[in-house]
Amino acid sequence: AQSVTQLGSHVSVSEGALVLLRCNYSSSVPPYLFWYVQYPNQGLQLLLKYTSAATLVKGINGFEAEFKKSETSFHLTKPSAHMRDAAEYFCAVSEGGTSYDKVIFGPGTSLSVIP
Amino acid sequence: DADVTQTPRNRITKTGKRIMLECSQTKGHDRMYWYRQDPGLGLRLIYYSFDVKDINKGEISDGYSVSRQAQAKFSLSLESAIPNQTALYFCATSDTTTQYFGPGTRLTVL
Repeated sequence: AQSVTQLGSHVSVSEGALVLLRCNYSSSVPPYLFWYVQYPNQGLQLLLKYTSAATLVKGINGFEAEFKKSETSFHLTKPSAHMRDAAEYFCAVSEGGTSYDKVIFGPGTSLSVIP
Repeated sequence: DADVTQTPRNRITKTGKRIMLECSQTKGHDRMYWYRQDPGLGLRLIYYSFDVKDINKGEISDGYSVSRQAQAKFSLSLESAIPNQTALYFCATSDTTTQYFGPGTRLTVL
């Protein structure tokens, strides 16, 4: 069965510092992988997705993630944090491509950005 | 205007009450979903619908029911609310590539 683990329920970084949010998955088939962001009082918004093409995926707002099959990881990074990046981030995995009824979400990581 | 709207945005109710959460979308998508979000658990799928006549149970459908009144409308009902249904509820739609979420309904069951 597929599952997602996000290491660290809360991450704090200084403004301008590197953002690294960790995601590990398990899947019995080549997965599709997603990162979503949730700003306060809003729904989830897709940041980026991996669909078995390039292993380095670039998303919106300067975020990117790298699919590493050997490590079963899909960590999210951003070179320089901005105050507006403070939000909840969810990693998700799908064994059914973009058939979203088969997507499993991780527990989320709350990112704080310190001025 | 928002593509996916949910009403109400906040609701407090009592144990045993029937409550309906409504979702509307203007994206013209056939597929719609209801999720609940609990702290530390991420989102879990309650029900999903691939078109007006196709409704399916998700991971945690017990205690919930849905109605797809039209392509644009998908309602979630709690027939007899209980305190452990206190959560943040999200509606979503999708096309073949991307999923779009509503702003959420915060439900508290006392």
